[in-house]
Amino acid sequence: QKEVEQNSGPLSVPEGAIASLNCTYSDRGSQSFFWYRQYSGKSPELIMFIYSNGDKEDGRFTAQLNKASQYVSLLIRDSQPSDSATYLCAVNVGGSTLGRLYFGRGTQLTVWP
Amino acid sequence: EAGVAQSPRYKIIEKRQSVAFWCNPISGHATLYWYQQILGQGPKLLIQFQNNGVVDDSQLPKDRFSAERLKGVDSTLKIQPAKLEDSAVYLCASSPTLRAGSNTGELFFGEGSRLTVL
Repeated sequence: QKEVEQNSGPLSVPEGAIASLNCTYSDRGSQSFFWYRQYSGKSPELIMFIYSNGDKEDGRFTAQLNKASQYVSLLIRDSQPSDSATYLCAVNVGGSTLGRLYFGRGTQLTVWP
Repeated sequence: EAGVAQSPRYKIIEKRQSVAFWCNPISGHATLYWYQQILGQGPKLLIQFQNNGVVDDSQLPKDRFSAERLKGVDSTLKIQPAKLEDSAVYLCASSPTLRAGSNTGELFFGEGSRLTVL
């Protein structure tokens, strides 16, 4: 969907490396941003959300938001083979409080041992 | 806590046939969504319900797709007649009623219903 763009990948990194996933969005009114992980054949599951400019860390994951540049990213430190999945960026378009999420097409990440 | 239930998990039909998918959200979740995920793409929002009212159906192909959420709980999504390009996974998700600052806006997804149209 044109509202949310992700680098399509695939992205391949060795175990222990940092994986960097990027996302841009078109609606300046968007206020909340989410990263979902989707294993092959499974449903998306939330791993991070961010509302404010700057960085937000949760374990090995760091989400970064720059509203001026309409850019959000996800860093995965010390990548593990179990992190191999498709990562979906989702944006609450229009600043709605009703959780109307629009997703990017996802970036496929492979972490090799 | 039981998750979002969907059925059937798999369905194979021929083009021009009809199909219906059922979803039971997490108990107490007021908001229900249907997403379509075509292979290799991200989920595309088809319709969003708040209780039994439609909030957003702007991307629902209304000439062939319909959805309802009677009594604000279960929901069904119907496709009639199906086209080849409708082959996809249909994901149902639910979330609690959002209030500013009160929760994350997280969507809880079901396992999905995989549709193949031949």
